[in-house]
Amino acid sequence: DAGITQSPRHKVTETGTPVTLRCHQTENHRYMYWYRQDPGHGLRLIHYSYGVKDTDKGEVSDGYSVSRSKTEDFLLTLESATSSQTSVYFCAISDVTSGKETQYFGPGTRLLVL
Amino acid sequence: DAKTTQPTSMDCAEGRAANLPCNHSTISGNEYVYWYRQIHSQGPQYIIHGLKNNETNEMASLIITEDRKSSTLILPHATLRDTAVYYCIVRPSRANSGYALNFGKGTSLLVTP
Repeated sequence: DAGITQSPRHKVTETGTPVTLRCHQTENHRYMYWYRQDPGHGLRLIHYSYGVKDTDKGEVSDGYSVSRSKTEDFLLTLESATSSQTSVYFCAISDVTSGKETQYFGPGTRLLVL
Repeated sequence: DAKTTQPTSMDCAEGRAANLPCNHSTISGNEYVYWYRQIHSQGPQYIIHGLKNNETNEMASLIITEDRKSSTLILPHATLRDTAVYYCIVRPSRANSGYALNFGKGTSLLVTP
């Protein structure tokens, strides 16, 4: 499981409130990712990071921001949550050892925005 | 990245081999074929990947046709715990590329007793 944890695992919040999801890794991998998964859409990339303080947008980045102040932590923030952000959020890391790039995923965070 | 086509769903009897096909006719020379699976409510799990040669690991075998336009993931002795959605993904693989994965809809495999 590549030592990836996500917190919280479940959260219910109200529209308009800020929400921060945390992804923590123990393996010191350079690349980290945030995906969301919704019925009928599969997994879609929100943001990713290629190092401390280095981040870039993914396919569905509107309404989300990220920060990475330490190698082991990648935070996803919903500045003002909306009902359309109700989803399951997965964090992933990229293992590039031996020249083979493989992504490993965390257990997910279920977010419900009322 | 090349587009992949997979059947929406498949069934397999427990103990039999599950053969999951994937078509990737537009694959280019530097693109690898990756397979992941997602068991209900869990994060996707890496299974195997390959470029040209067939690959085998403790979970599965990957057979890639000579023209690389299609591949088959083989679970040699399917168990009920292999019931999951299986994703075939084609992408360039370079060290430190940081490429995200395009999961598509995948194949829902049901293993029956």
